[in-house]
Amino acid sequence: DGGITQSPKYLFRKEGQNVTLSCEQNLNHDAMYWYRQDPGQGLRLIYYSQIVNDFQKGDIAEGYSVSREKKESFPLTVTSAQKNPTAFYLCASSVDPRLVTDTQYFGPGTRLTVL
Amino acid sequence: ILNVEQSPQSLHVQEGDSTNFTCSFPSSNFYALHWYRWETAKSPEALFVMTLNGDEKKKGRISATLNTKEGYSYLYIKGSQPEDSATYLCAQKGFQKLVFGTGTRLLVSP
Repeated sequence: DGGITQSPKYLFRKEGQNVTLSCEQNLNHDAMYWYRQDPGQGLRLIYYSQIVNDFQKGDIAEGYSVSREKKESFPLTVTSAQKNPTAFYLCASSVDPRLVTDTQYFGPGTRLTVL
Repeated sequence: ILNVEQSPQSLHVQEGDSTNFTCSFPSSNFYALHWYRWETAKSPEALFVMTLNGDEKKKGRISATLNTKEGYSYLYIKGSQPEDSATYLCAQKGFQKLVFGTGTRLLVSP
């Protein structure tokens, strides 16, 4: 089955620790995205990548880092500099973000709780 | 900066009721409007992509309209069923990214 996988589903970390969230896709999509959802807010874009070895900051990139070494993988690191890391994180992919009709396909999400 | 708003925030209807909700967005520099459905414990799934003023899209009992001049889109569900319970998200296409609204959470009771 083609799709996007995120692991783990739930993640707990102590304050001050960096943590990396995994996102893998086998849809052969060039673009990948990371979003954050908080209660009462829409999905907010953290980082996105249009192609391997390239990525751009989204609207709330501070305290996060990413890498895109492989087409299939786009891991997100939540660093200790992120002031409010507890949230639900969604990964997505798409064929070509330059197209106005480009549809994004989402993973199941990871709920991160920082204690 | 794109600002996409959705109303109402939540909605509770009975099985068989028809319902609709609104997505408002800036009308200038419009590219496209996307609708997604997000069921609990699942991933958001694309419903429609709309690009032209006056566009109407339909999938089963769900349909959507688009008015780019005044900056709004309506999503209609005819004869709601419990399986329609979900959060419905709209997103405006910006430069190489989507800007999402906060969603409308629909609960359909049997």
